[in-house]
Amino acid sequence: IAGITQAPTSQILAAGRRMTLRCTQDMRHNAMYWYRQDLGLGLRLIHYSNTAGTTGKGEVPDGYSVSRANTDDFPLTLASAVPSQTSVYFCASRQTSTDTQYFGPGTRLTVL
Amino acid sequence: GDSVTQMEGPVTLSEEAFLTINCTYTATGYPSLFWYVQYPGEGLQLLLKATKADDKGSNKGFEATYRKETTSFHLEKGSVQVSDSAVYFCALIADTGRRALTFGSGTRLQVQP
Repeated sequence: IAGITQAPTSQILAAGRRMTLRCTQDMRHNAMYWYRQDLGLGLRLIHYSNTAGTTGKGEVPDGYSVSRANTDDFPLTLASAVPSQTSVYFCASRQTSTDTQYFGPGTRLTVL
Repeated sequence: GDSVTQMEGPVTLSEEAFLTINCTYTATGYPSLFWYVQYPGEGLQLLLKATKADDKGSNKGFEATYRKETTSFHLEKGSVQVSDSAVYFCALIADTGRRALTFGSGTRLQVQP
């Protein structure tokens, strides 16, 4: 089934630890995005990539990094987790012809 | 910067009631407008969209019309069902290179039988 997969589904992490959230799509979309969802704030853009080999910062990039080595994968890394990074993280890819974004099921991250 | 404002929730309705969720936006240029829906425990799914003024997006009985004069994109459904219970997000893509979504805060809809 075509779509986006994310791993892990959920994670509890000690503050200061490094963590990588994985995202893989099989739709061959060039553009991919990472958002975080916090109650009352909707979803906010962390980082994006318009095509393999390029990345850019969104509204809330501090404490996060991304890479885009190929079209399918777009991992998000927290170098040293802090409690304020407790959130639900969604990866998405965009179909260029329609501007429609397709979302993964999300990763629920708790930083203690 | 770009922003989306939508009505606070939760909205609680009885089955077959009429639904309106208000959404207004601020953006430069001519944004594309979207409604996404999030069912419990799932990611977001596109519900409908409109790309220019006076366009009407529709899907699954839901409708929204792009009103440039009032910068609004209100979501409506004539008769809601229990299965419509979810969180609804209004969003826009402004005319920028990254084409990322700017979301409203979401409105939770609870439909009671």
